[in-house]
Amino acid sequence: DADVTQTPRNRITKTGKRIMLECSQTKGHDRMYWYRQDPGLGLRLIYYSFDVKDINKGEISDGYSVSRQAQAKFSLSLESAIPNQTALYFCATRASGGNIQYFGAGTRLSVL
Amino acid sequence: SQKIEQNSEALNIQEGKTATLTCNYTNYSPAYLQWYRQDPGRGPVFLLLIRENEKEKRKERLKVTFDTTLKQSLFHITASQPADSATYLCALEDGGFKTIFGAGTRLFVKA
Repeated sequence: DADVTQTPRNRITKTGKRIMLECSQTKGHDRMYWYRQDPGLGLRLIYYSFDVKDINKGEISDGYSVSRQAQAKFSLSLESAIPNQTALYFCATRASGGNIQYFGAGTRLSVL
Repeated sequence: SQKIEQNSEALNIQEGKTATLTCNYTNYSPAYLQWYRQDPGRGPVFLLLIRENEKEKRKERLKVTFDTTLKQSLFHITASQPADSATYLCALEDGGFKTIFGAGTRLFVKA
């Protein structure tokens, strides 16, 4: 089983819909991150969390919200999806005191 | 703000040759720099980390150099194979436990 699991893997939705992307991990890491990836732009940080009670905005948080339900779970929500949120979304984890990020397989989201 | 630049053009090389990818950064002095590999439809996977006091780091056919004066890292794959074809991302930490990634360079190794 994957250490960092994202669901769903693919999602097509319509403008204005609320959707949630989920991430769970079995690595026991405190730190979790949500990124989006667009062609030519690389990975951009949306939100990050250093523990259950610590949530921080990244560089592109507008239009997104997150919930850290437990150490192992970190969900990303799009309150009202718009077409320019069409992208590949990745969840990642990192151990406190560690340097390496471990990524999930990604969710490909299309907003029509 | 911190900026990372990688060659956006794909690199095409012949099997057996050495591939060299470049990562340049500005406006920061990172304590370390990382390289990740990303295959289509998959998440990035960590390859190597090099610290500011290290000039060179090796792992099997991979070699990374780090020049803090030039603000540049070079990533080499020797004796390249078609299986090395992927996108390679450079990354550094901004000092706030957030990692900044370059857009990546796509490598194609032809048999």
